[in-house]
Amino acid sequence: DAGVTQSPTHLIKTRGQQVTLRCSPKSGHDTVSWYQQALGQGPQFIFQYYEEEERQRGNFPDRFSGHQFPNYSSELNVNALLLGDSALYLCASSHFLDSYNEQFFGPGTRLTVL
Amino acid sequence: KQEVTQIPAALSVPEGENLVLNCSFTDSAIYNLQWFRQDPGKGLTSLLLIQSSQREQTSGRLNASLDKSSGRSTLYIAASQPGDSATYLCAVRRDNYGQNFVFGPGTRLSVLP
Repeated sequence: DAGVTQSPTHLIKTRGQQVTLRCSPKSGHDTVSWYQQALGQGPQFIFQYYEEEERQRGNFPDRFSGHQFPNYSSELNVNALLLGDSALYLCASSHFLDSYNEQFFGPGTRLTVL
Repeated sequence: KQEVTQIPAALSVPEGENLVLNCSFTDSAIYNLQWFRQDPGKGLTSLLLIQSSQREQTSGRLNASLDKSSGRSTLYIAASQPGDSATYLCAVRRDNYGQNFVFGPGTRLSVLP
């Protein structure tokens, strides 16, 4: 049973560019959340997708957008990249109706903005 | 606004020692609390999840307790090993319908052989 997978592993972009990160949830899960983790800090919630809709959103600008596909996989898009967007981007999945709603995280995508 | 803190920020202990990591949160209206382990540059591995109605959870050498009214959780690691070296994060969730975890900054643990 594959866990949460993310691609790519590493990415280097320059300021002003756009980037797309991808996530496939754990088998049986239908909800995907995205987090940004700056160096030395805990992850910060970006947004959550369920039934192909954004359900909750953290304090991130509109430059951060996402999508969920019918197979529950998800993309995170960031436009007009800033140096401060350099971080580890983590995807987490769970089953929306699971009362415990335990989150399982992927290995992350390390984004470097030059 | 929920805020989560973790003490200490870093900890170095000799192998075999028992240790306690602390997590505090400002809003006691939580749904559950989850402890994670993170190896350098890697994703998060779930260790223990405690529902708000529970007092503790155990898995192997790990025991997590929750005192919701005082806004505290502790992670107890028995007989520490060098392989336990990692950053330990706690996260609290407000309700059953969101994935909106609020994370603490983590405690960086080094277990010396």
